Amino acid sequence: DAGVTQSPTHLIKTRGQQVTLRCSPKSGHDTVSWYQQALGQGPQFIFQYYEEEERQRGNFPDRFSGHQFPNYSSELNVNALLLGDSALYLCASSLVRSPTGWQDFGPGTRLTVL
Amino acid sequence: QKEVEQNSGPLSVPEGAIASLNCTYSDRGSQSFFWYRQYSGKSPELIMFIYSNGDKEDGRFTAQLNKASQYVSLLIRDSQPSDSATYLCAVTGTGNQFYFGTGTSLTVIP
Repeated sequence: DAGVTQSPTHLIKTRGQQVTLRCSPKSGHDTVSWYQQALGQGPQFIFQYYEEEERQRGNFPDRFSGHQFPNYSSELNVNALLLGDSALYLCASSLVRSPTGWQDFGPGTRLTVL
Repeated sequence: QKEVEQNSGPLSVPEGAIASLNCTYSDRGSQSFFWYRQYSGKSPELIMFIYSNGDKEDGRFTAQLNKASQYVSLLIRDSQPSDSATYLCAVTGTGNQFYFGTGTSLTVIP
């Protein structure tokens, strides 16, 4: 039973470019959340997708957008990259009806913006 | 603004000692509380999960929750060098999204 997978593992971009990160949730999960973890900080919630719609959003600018596909996989898009967008991007999947809110995390994508 | 506060450390304990990690949170509506271990450059790994007041034990780990004081802690007994990592406290929001603290860096000295 595959867990949460993310691609790519590492990515290097330059300022102003656009990037797309991908996530496949754990089998049976229907909700995907994205987090940004800057160096030395805890993960910060970006947004959450369920039924192909954004349900919740953290304090991130519109440059950050996402999508969820019918198979529950998800993409995170970041436009007009800034140096400060360099971080580990984590995807987590869960069940919307989970009473505990348990989330399984993927291995992350390390984005470096030069 | 939901806030989760942790002592950033670093916390150093000798091998075999008890490590105590603390976390406070601001949202009284939070229902579930998680402790994650994160090695440098890696994804967070779930250590403990608790949602009822009191203690929950799993092997060398004990999580303690006090909702009235908005306080959750993690005790690691018989600390091992392999426990050296950053420990993240996470609490759930109304939509079950996680709010994380900044993490406490733990070093277990052989």
